[in-house]
Amino acid sequence: GAVVSQHPSWVICKSGTSVKIECRSLDFQATTMFWYRQFPKQSLMLMATSNEGSKATYEQGVEKDKFLINHASLTLSTLTVTSAHPEDSSFYICSATQTGSEAFFGQGTRLTVV
Amino acid sequence: SQQGEEDPQALSIQEGENATMNCSYKTSINNLQWYRQNSGRGLVHLILIRSNEREKHSGRLRVTLDTSKKSSSLLITASRAADTASYFCATDDGGFKTIFGAGTRLFVKA
Repeated sequence: GAVVSQHPSWVICKSGTSVKIECRSLDFQATTMFWYRQFPKQSLMLMATSNEGSKATYEQGVEKDKFLINHASLTLSTLTVTSAHPEDSSFYICSATQTGSEAFFGQGTRLTVV
Repeated sequence: SQQGEEDPQALSIQEGENATMNCSYKTSINNLQWYRQNSGRGLVHLILIRSNEREKHSGRLRVTLDTSKKSSSLLITASRAADTASYFCATDDGGFKTIFGAGTRLFVKA
């Protein structure tokens, strides 16, 4: 199957700082990328959908000014958690898809805000 | 948002037994997928079943889909301790947005 790479796999940051997570489709052009968040012992919750070259669509309850998503190219989307707080500590996973194909998931990024 | 629920929430069995997990969803779907996740790790894609399919097999996995009841089941036969993980169903409504169920935590005792 297609490969989606997420970086970093884990990050620890201080409260109040910003953290950027990258999601890359390595062997295909991803017209759409999705960002999910998973708290411990819970399921994956969709945060936002991003299409290359346009603004991301956020799910209800997700703050777009806090979770900045950029999908500048067909192989890269970034999620920036701005002014991170301990409650933002979570597992963040991206997925990427081409038009008409299934979604492929990255390996996830564990964010810990101290 | 979550599409549906999974049943049971947690399941503990002995090695060698079969494990059955059920998933219900709410809206029309294009396909349904099952994923596995080891603690704190990424997702492993197990199997995809399309809306026009009723049953699919892959090794020790058997998935059924009943679109009239909006439900699916995952059967793992002859379970092993290494099957211990969380299992999620996920639906695709044709808009390529994958929505996950709540998950079933499976524990297989050696």
